[in-house]
Amino acid sequence: AQKITQTQPGMFVQEKEAVTLDCTYDTSDPSYGLFWYKQPSSGEMIFLIYQGSYDQQNATEGRYSLNFQKARKSANLVISASQLGDSAMYFCAMRDTSGTYKYIFGTGTRLKVLA
Amino acid sequence: GAGVSQSPSNKVTEKGKDVELRCDPISGHTALYWYRQSLGQGLEFLIYFQGNSAPDKSGLPSDRFSAERTGGSVSTLTIQRTQQEDSAVYLCASSLSFVSFAFGSGTRLTVV
Repeated sequence: AQKITQTQPGMFVQEKEAVTLDCTYDTSDPSYGLFWYKQPSSGEMIFLIYQGSYDQQNATEGRYSLNFQKARKSANLVISASQLGDSAMYFCAMRDTSGTYKYIFGTGTRLKVLA
Repeated sequence: GAGVSQSPSNKVTEKGKDVELRCDPISGHTALYWYRQSLGQGLEFLIYFQGNSAPDKSGLPSDRFSAERTGGSVSTLTIQRTQQEDSAVYLCASSLSFVSFAFGSGTRLTVV
């Protein structure tokens, strides 16, 4: 069965520094998609970045980049030049392509950016 | 609408009562998902709709939970005889493609 693992329940980073949030996944399907979402204290889920399993290059969206290492089944999120507004819960997710199409989420990492 | 709309945003109910949670997806989005997020936890999949049918309802916790979708649009999640462990934020999301996946702001359910 597909599974997403986020091993860091909480992280601290100094403002303007870069931070890496870890995500590993498990699937036997050759075709899948990986996603990162941000959930601020207000509760909404904000889409950050997407990586397809067949994409040759790592995805980037502004200050967000995804360090995709397919052989290691990892999809770490890198946030460069952290800002105070980056403090939030971050979820890694995978699109299940085994026929059920549901998105599977990790347990999340709470990031706190320090001034 | 411009985004996924959920109502009510907050619901407090007495144990044993039935509740209905509504989700209005982005217009044209054929796929609709319900998730549950308990305090400080990740997202727990409940049910997935493609059009009006639900090919995957494997996440519904018990037969007290049901959901329907009509006209390929609005969906209602119903919880019968609510229990305190049902207290959570219920999130709805809709999707048109493999990549596009948008969440509503959720319904915070508190069972007292």
